[in-house]
Amino acid sequence: GAVVSQHPSRVICKSGTSVKIECRSLDFQATTMFWYRQFPKQSLMLMATSNEGSKATYEQGVEKDKFLINHASLTLSTLTVTSAHPEDSSFYICSARHREEYWYEQFFGPGTRLTVL
Amino acid sequence: QKEVEQNSGPLSVPEGAIASLNCTYSDRGSQSFFWYRQYSGKSPELIMFIYSNGDKEDGRFTAQLNKASQYVSLLIRDSQPSDSATYLCAVIAVRGAQKLVFGQGTRLTINP
Repeated sequence: GAVVSQHPSRVICKSGTSVKIECRSLDFQATTMFWYRQFPKQSLMLMATSNEGSKATYEQGVEKDKFLINHASLTLSTLTVTSAHPEDSSFYICSARHREEYWYEQFFGPGTRLTVL
Repeated sequence: QKEVEQNSGPLSVPEGAIASLNCTYSDRGSQSFFWYRQYSGKSPELIMFIYSNGDKEDGRFTAQLNKASQYVSLLIRDSQPSDSATYLCAVIAVRGAQKLVFGQGTRLTINP
């Protein structure tokens, strides 16, 4: 149980285009989902916290108009990178917190590698 | 000062030996501590969590927490080549929405 999926796993796009990444909790309901970004040889940096039905809370320095987050249901959150540029190339990872159990644990998705040409 | 600090390594340990990974944190009020393992190109996977001072053992892994000194460590006994990975220490911040704050990770290599 507690499986989180991400789609796509890898995406290559041209500069200026928008990319949508989906994060789904497959077998549980997630009250909260988190979006992280990881550059090569660096640690995970939290971008935003997303709660179902409400606006995401962005970390300092993360542009909310560039990284659009929608958490439409208890099993789905999406991150849209708008007008992507090469510096947005990174490994994007989502995680989900179970609605009722394991309140302390975040279940991570497999990640999406974005390359912007 | 970073909230969670780790030695980035690389740390090389011979197969069968004990690997010791350390982490310090700055927020004295932090309550929950986690160790994740991350293989190259993959997302993190939880190895252990610990709340209370002292040791917590799970198979070959032992987490140690010392709140007075604000450090948490992970010991891996009988190290195997498959343990070669980056180990991330994470702390749940007391303030805010219970978010995880990660250290920069320690790259561990187990030499056969």
